[in-house]
Amino acid sequence: ETGVTQTPRHLVMGMTNKKSLKCEQHLGHNAMYWYKQSAKKPLELMFVYNFKEQTENNSVPSRFSPECPNSSHLFLHLHTLQPEDSALYLCASSQAGQANEQYFGPGTRLTVT
Amino acid sequence: GESVGLHLPTLSVQEGDNSIINCAYSNSASDYFIWYKQESGKGPQFIIDIRSNMDKRQGQRVTVLLNKTVKHLSLQIAATQPGDSAVYFCAENGDSNYQLIWGAGTKLIIKP
Repeated sequence: ETGVTQTPRHLVMGMTNKKSLKCEQHLGHNAMYWYKQSAKKPLELMFVYNFKEQTENNSVPSRFSPECPNSSHLFLHLHTLQPEDSALYLCASSQAGQANEQYFGPGTRLTVT
Repeated sequence: GESVGLHLPTLSVQEGDNSIINCAYSNSASDYFIWYKQESGKGPQFIIDIRSNMDKRQGQRVTVLLNKTVKHLSLQIAATQPGDSAVYFCAENGDSNYQLIWGAGTKLIIKP
């Protein structure tokens, strides 16, 4: 596979469930990002990892827990989410320090019931 | 606070006409301004960028104009095609090279 892939593409979960989103990039990048995209809102940056180290956490609630085991993989662990967390979650990658050239995955459409 | 905003949330254009999508930004420290295109069911895709030391940059059928005096950015699409239907986002790097500030997006609709 090429580019940035995300699984699953769609996810429906209850408020008491625990699930994880996965992102993988095949571009040799060393920075990865999680975004939340809600209707009629700008993209909200959630987390940034550079060389596997978290360098940005934009006041994201603790019910979202990121994990970056290596430069190619990024996870977002979800637990006890709220209905307002329903959104499209996008993963992106770039070379570190080159956030202007981010490559995005197709996103995971999350619905919290 | 810092913000990047769009003048029009939706733009309808006749197929074959030129499209102009506008964006306002507020951070004078930004070095890069970028346009992304997001088609339905896909993530945003890089279209073109421009550095702060330039006023204009052209790509294939697209031109980006930067007016630093009024902090305005625009994307021009020539001879708009049905495949241009998407949401277009502007973004700027602000004070950082490690994250972007995103606009709300403009939905471009192509009329046959």
